[in-house]
Amino acid sequence: DAGITQSPRYKITETGRQVTLMCHQTWSHSYMFWYRQDLGHGLRLIYYSAAADITDKGEVPDGYVVSRSKTENFPLTLESATRSQTSVYFCASRQRTGELFFGEGSRLTVL
Amino acid sequence: DAKTTQPNSMESNEEEPVHLPCNHSTISGTDYIHWYRQLPSQGPEYVIHGLTSNVNNRMASLAIAEDRKSSTLILHRATLRDAAVYYCILRALHSGAGSYQLTFGKGTKLSVIP
Repeated sequence: DAGITQSPRYKITETGRQVTLMCHQTWSHSYMFWYRQDLGHGLRLIYYSAAADITDKGEVPDGYVVSRSKTENFPLTLESATRSQTSVYFCASRQRTGELFFGEGSRLTVL
Repeated sequence: DAKTTQPNSMESNEEEPVHLPCNHSTISGTDYIHWYRQLPSQGPEYVIHGLTSNVNNRMASLAIAEDRKSSTLILHRATLRDAAVYYCILRALHSGAGSYQLTFGKGTKLSVIP
Protein backbone atom coordinates (compact mmCIF):
# COMPACT_ATOMS: atom_id res chain seq x y z
CA ASP A 1 0.00 0.00 0.00
CA ALA A 2 1.13 3.54 -0.66
CA GLY A 3 2.16 5.55 2.32
CA ILE A 4 4.81 5.94 4.95
CA THR A 5 5.66 3.12 7.28
CA GLN A 6 7.85 2.94 10.35
CA SER A 7 9.40 -0.06 12.02
CA PRO A 8 9.56 -1.26 14.64
CA ARG A 9 6.44 0.23 16.18
CA TYR A 10 7.66 -0.63 19.67
CA LYS A 11 11.19 -1.23 20.90
CA ILE A 12 12.73 -1.74 24.31
CA THR A 13 16.49 -1.57 24.57
CA GLU A 14 19.21 -1.00 27.12
CA THR A 15 21.48 1.94 27.67
CA GLY A 16 24.50 1.83 25.38
CA ARG A 17 22.96 -0.35 22.70
CA GLN A 18 22.64 0.70 19.08
CA VAL A 19 19.11 1.03 17.76
CA THR A 20 17.92 1.74 14.24
CA LEU A 21 14.44 2.98 13.45
CA MET A 22 13.35 2.45 9.89
CA CYS A 23 11.21 4.69 7.73
CA HIS A 24 9.95 3.87 4.25
CA GLN A 25 7.77 5.95 1.92
CA THR A 26 6.24 4.93 -1.39
CA TRP A 27 5.55 8.37 -2.87
CA SER A 28 9.12 9.26 -3.93
CA HIS A 29 8.89 12.48 -1.93
CA SER A 30 12.21 14.30 -1.90
CA TYR A 31 12.03 15.61 1.65
CA MET A 32 11.92 13.35 4.69
CA PHE A 33 12.05 14.18 8.39
CA TRP A 34 12.52 12.61 11.80
CA TYR A 35 10.78 14.09 14.83
CA ARG A 36 10.65 13.01 18.43
CA GLN A 37 7.69 13.70 20.69
CA ASP A 38 7.94 13.96 24.45
CA LEU A 39 5.41 15.10 27.01
CA GLY A 40 5.75 18.82 27.52
CA HIS A 41 7.88 19.37 24.41
CA GLY A 42 5.61 18.73 21.47
CA LEU A 43 7.34 17.50 18.32
CA ARG A 44 10.98 18.40 17.83
CA LEU A 45 12.88 17.95 14.60
CA ILE A 46 15.92 15.67 14.83
CA TYR A 47 17.16 15.43 11.25
CA TYR A 48 15.82 16.00 7.78
CA SER A 49 16.81 15.12 4.27
CA ALA A 50 16.20 17.02 1.04
CA ALA A 51 17.10 14.11 -1.25
CA ALA A 52 19.16 10.94 -1.37
CA ASP A 53 22.60 11.57 0.16
CA ILE A 54 21.57 15.02 1.46
CA THR A 55 20.83 15.27 5.18
CA ASP A 56 20.95 18.06 7.72
CA LYS A 57 20.50 18.60 11.42
CA GLY A 58 17.31 19.78 13.02
CA GLU A 59 16.70 21.12 16.49
CA VAL A 60 17.86 18.11 18.54
CA PRO A 61 20.38 16.03 16.52
CA ASP A 62 22.83 15.02 19.27
CA GLY A 63 23.06 11.27 19.75
CA TYR A 64 21.44 10.44 16.42
CA VAL A 65 22.74 9.51 13.00
CA VAL A 66 20.81 9.35 9.73
CA SER A 67 21.47 8.18 6.23
CA ARG A 68 19.58 8.38 2.95
CA SER A 69 21.08 6.09 0.34
CA LYS A 70 17.72 5.67 -1.40
CA THR A 71 14.92 8.19 -1.79
CA GLU A 72 12.35 5.93 -0.18
CA ASN A 73 14.26 5.07 2.99
CA PHE A 74 15.41 7.29 5.83
CA PRO A 75 16.69 5.27 8.80
CA LEU A 76 17.46 6.88 12.15
CA THR A 77 20.20 5.33 14.30
CA LEU A 78 20.88 5.83 17.96
CA GLU A 79 24.51 4.75 18.15
CA SER A 80 24.58 4.39 21.94
CA ALA A 81 21.11 4.74 23.40
CA THR A 82 20.55 6.77 26.55
CA ARG A 83 17.51 6.97 28.81
CA SER A 84 16.87 10.52 27.66
CA GLN A 85 16.19 9.10 24.18
CA THR A 86 13.12 7.29 25.44
CA SER A 87 10.46 8.87 23.27
CA VAL A 88 8.03 8.43 20.42
CA TYR A 89 9.70 8.94 17.07
CA PHE A 90 7.82 10.07 13.98
CA CYS A 91 9.04 9.96 10.43
CA ALA A 92 7.45 12.21 7.81
CA SER A 93 7.75 12.98 4.13
CA ARG A 94 6.74 16.13 2.33
CA GLN A 95 4.53 16.48 -0.69
CA ARG A 96 5.49 19.04 -3.37
CA THR A 97 2.65 21.32 -2.25
CA GLY A 98 4.08 21.41 1.27
CA GLU A 99 1.96 19.00 3.27
CA LEU A 100 3.75 16.60 5.57
CA PHE A 101 2.65 12.99 5.85
CA PHE A 102 3.60 11.22 9.06
CA GLY A 103 4.11 7.60 9.94
CA GLU A 104 2.37 6.03 12.90
CA GLY A 105 5.38 6.40 15.13
CA SER A 106 7.96 4.20 16.84
CA ARG A 107 7.78 4.05 20.60
CA LEU A 108 11.26 3.54 22.03
CA THR A 109 12.03 2.75 25.66
CA VAL A 110 15.64 2.80 26.84
CA LEU A 111 16.19 1.04 30.16
CA ASP B 1 10.80 32.06 13.46
CA ALA B 2 7.32 33.53 13.76
CA LYS B 3 5.41 31.88 16.56
CA THR B 4 1.79 30.93 17.08
CA THR B 5 -0.40 31.07 20.17
CA GLN B 6 -3.28 28.69 20.70
CA PRO B 7 -5.53 27.91 23.67
CA ASN B 8 -4.42 24.83 25.56
CA SER B 9 -7.79 23.14 25.36
CA MET B 10 -11.32 23.50 24.04
CA GLU B 11 -14.53 21.54 24.28
CA SER B 12 -17.29 21.07 21.78
CA ASN B 13 -20.54 19.18 21.64
CA GLU B 14 -20.87 16.53 19.01
CA GLU B 15 -22.40 17.68 15.72
CA GLU B 16 -21.83 21.34 16.51
CA PRO B 17 -19.34 23.61 14.71
CA VAL B 18 -15.96 24.21 16.31
CA HIS B 19 -13.81 27.29 15.86
CA LEU B 20 -10.18 26.79 16.83
CA PRO B 21 -8.28 30.09 17.05
CA CYS B 22 -4.62 30.79 16.40
CA ASN B 23 -2.74 34.03 16.88
CA HIS B 24 0.38 34.72 14.83
CA SER B 25 1.00 38.43 15.22
CA THR B 26 4.61 38.26 13.93
CA ILE B 27 3.74 36.43 10.73
CA SER B 28 5.68 37.54 7.68
CA GLY B 29 4.20 38.14 4.27
CA THR B 30 5.50 34.86 2.87
CA ASP B 31 4.51 32.56 5.74
CA TYR B 32 1.89 29.93 5.02
CA ILE B 33 -0.47 28.96 7.81
CA HIS B 34 -0.69 25.20 8.26
CA TRP B 35 -2.95 23.16 10.50
CA TYR B 36 -2.27 19.60 11.57
CA ARG B 37 -4.02 17.42 14.06
CA GLN B 38 -2.90 14.44 16.08
CA LEU B 39 -5.32 11.79 17.23
CA PRO B 40 -4.39 9.76 20.31
CA SER B 41 -1.53 7.33 19.66
CA GLN B 42 -1.17 8.40 16.02
CA GLY B 43 1.14 10.58 14.00
CA PRO B 44 0.13 14.13 13.09
CA GLU B 45 -2.23 14.44 10.15
CA TYR B 46 -2.38 17.34 7.68
CA VAL B 47 -5.65 19.26 7.84
CA ILE B 48 -5.42 22.41 5.74
CA HIS B 49 -3.20 25.33 4.84
CA GLY B 50 -3.51 28.79 3.36
CA LEU B 51 -1.70 32.03 2.67
CA THR B 52 -4.16 34.90 2.48
CA SER B 53 -7.57 33.74 1.32
CA ASN B 54 -9.96 31.52 3.20
CA VAL B 55 -9.65 27.87 2.25
CA ASN B 56 -12.02 24.94 2.32
CA ASN B 57 -11.44 21.24 1.97
CA ARG B 58 -13.26 18.07 2.88
CA MET B 59 -11.95 18.15 6.43
CA ALA B 60 -12.27 21.77 7.48
CA SER B 61 -12.25 25.45 6.59
CA LEU B 62 -9.54 27.95 7.32
CA ALA B 63 -10.49 31.56 7.91
CA ILE B 64 -7.58 34.00 7.77
CA ALA B 65 -7.89 37.50 9.18
CA GLU B 66 -7.38 40.34 6.75
CA ASP B 67 -4.16 41.43 8.51
CA ARG B 68 -3.08 37.75 8.71
CA LYS B 69 -2.27 38.08 12.38
CA SER B 70 -4.76 35.42 13.31
CA SER B 71 -6.60 32.51 11.78
CA THR B 72 -9.37 30.13 12.71
CA LEU B 73 -9.77 26.47 11.86
CA ILE B 74 -13.42 25.61 11.48
CA LEU B 75 -14.78 22.09 11.83
CA HIS B 76 -18.33 22.35 10.57
CA ARG B 77 -19.81 19.44 12.53
CA ALA B 78 -17.62 17.97 15.23
CA THR B 79 -17.62 14.21 15.58
CA LEU B 80 -16.06 12.06 18.25
CA ARG B 81 -13.33 11.24 15.77
CA ASP B 82 -12.32 14.91 15.71
CA ALA B 83 -11.09 14.74 19.31
CA ALA B 84 -7.39 15.46 18.88
CA VAL B 85 -4.63 17.98 19.44
CA TYR B 86 -4.72 20.65 16.74
CA TYR B 87 -1.52 22.42 15.78
CA CYS B 88 -1.34 25.77 14.03
CA ILE B 89 2.05 26.20 12.36
CA LEU B 90 3.69 28.82 10.18
CA ARG B 91 5.80 27.70 7.25
CA ALA B 92 8.10 30.12 5.49
CA LEU B 93 7.79 30.09 1.72
CA HIS B 94 11.54 30.23 1.37
CA SER B 95 13.30 28.50 4.20
CA GLY B 96 16.72 28.05 2.70
CA ALA B 97 18.28 25.05 1.06
CA GLY B 98 16.79 21.87 2.42
CA SER B 99 15.10 23.39 5.40
CA TYR B 100 11.48 22.85 6.23
CA GLN B 101 11.55 23.00 9.94
CA LEU B 102 7.91 23.04 10.87
CA THR B 103 7.87 23.99 14.54
CA PHE B 104 5.08 22.22 16.38
CA GLY B 105 3.97 23.99 19.54
CA LYS B 106 1.73 22.38 22.14
CA GLY B 107 -1.44 22.90 20.15
CA THR B 108 -5.06 22.90 21.31
CA LYS B 109 -6.52 19.74 22.75
CA LEU B 110 -10.07 19.45 21.47
CA SER B 111 -12.53 17.34 23.44
CA VAL B 112 -15.82 16.38 21.81
CA ILE B 113 -18.72 15.70 24.13
CA PRO B 114 -21.29 13.15 22.93
